Amino acid sequence: GDSVTQMEGPVTLSEEAFLTINCTYTATGYPSLFWYVQYPGEGLQLLLKATKADDKGSNKGFEATYRKETTSFHLEKGSVQVSDSAVYFCALTNQAGTALIFGKGTTLSVSS
Amino acid sequence: NAGVTQTPKFQVLKTGQSMTLQCAQDMNHNSMYWYRQDPGMGLRLIYYSASEGTTDKGEVPNGYNVSRLNKREFSLRLESAAPSQTSVYFCASSLQRGMQETQYFGPGTRLLVL
Repeated sequence: GDSVTQMEGPVTLSEEAFLTINCTYTATGYPSLFWYVQYPGEGLQLLLKATKADDKGSNKGFEATYRKETTSFHLEKGSVQVSDSAVYFCALTNQAGTALIFGKGTTLSVSS
Repeated sequence: NAGVTQTPKFQVLKTGQSMTLQCAQDMNHNSMYWYRQDPGMGLRLIYYSASEGTTDKGEVPNGYNVSRLNKREFSLRLESAAPSQTSVYFCASSLQRGMQETQYFGPGTRLLVL
């Protein structure tokens, strides 16, 4: 079945460091790919998405490119801030379009 | 717009008790979803409603029932709570069912079953 694998955390960085969180997927068809962010004590917020191969999603300095050839959707940010500390989830839509399938989440902790 | 709202925020139950988690959205979305979030497991779909009047099982439906009361509201019921149902429950909605649709999430309900 469809699945998402993302790198284990926690990821600990200093402010202004470069961030990469790896995400790979297995899917039938051509799913849309998403990154959601969950700040402490809150629900999930959409960070960015891409709906077809080679699309790049971007928001708040974060970027991810839909790579069909490597089945990947890695999240990157050039310079992280303390306020970016959160849990990041990679997800895709199932083939029926009825649900999101999530990775297990990666905790990011940024210190000043 | 409030987006997706959930009540209660936190609940403690004893094994065997029942309760209903409420969810409402004001975005005029057709599709609504219930997920549970457990440590180290991401989110898993319990039930979804593609449109008003329809509901379908997701990945982990056992022990739950749902009601799509109207277009705005989608409730999740635990008839006889078990400790394995201790989790954080998220409701979500999307304009419609589809692979390109974005789902919008509520703030969650934290449930502890003793």
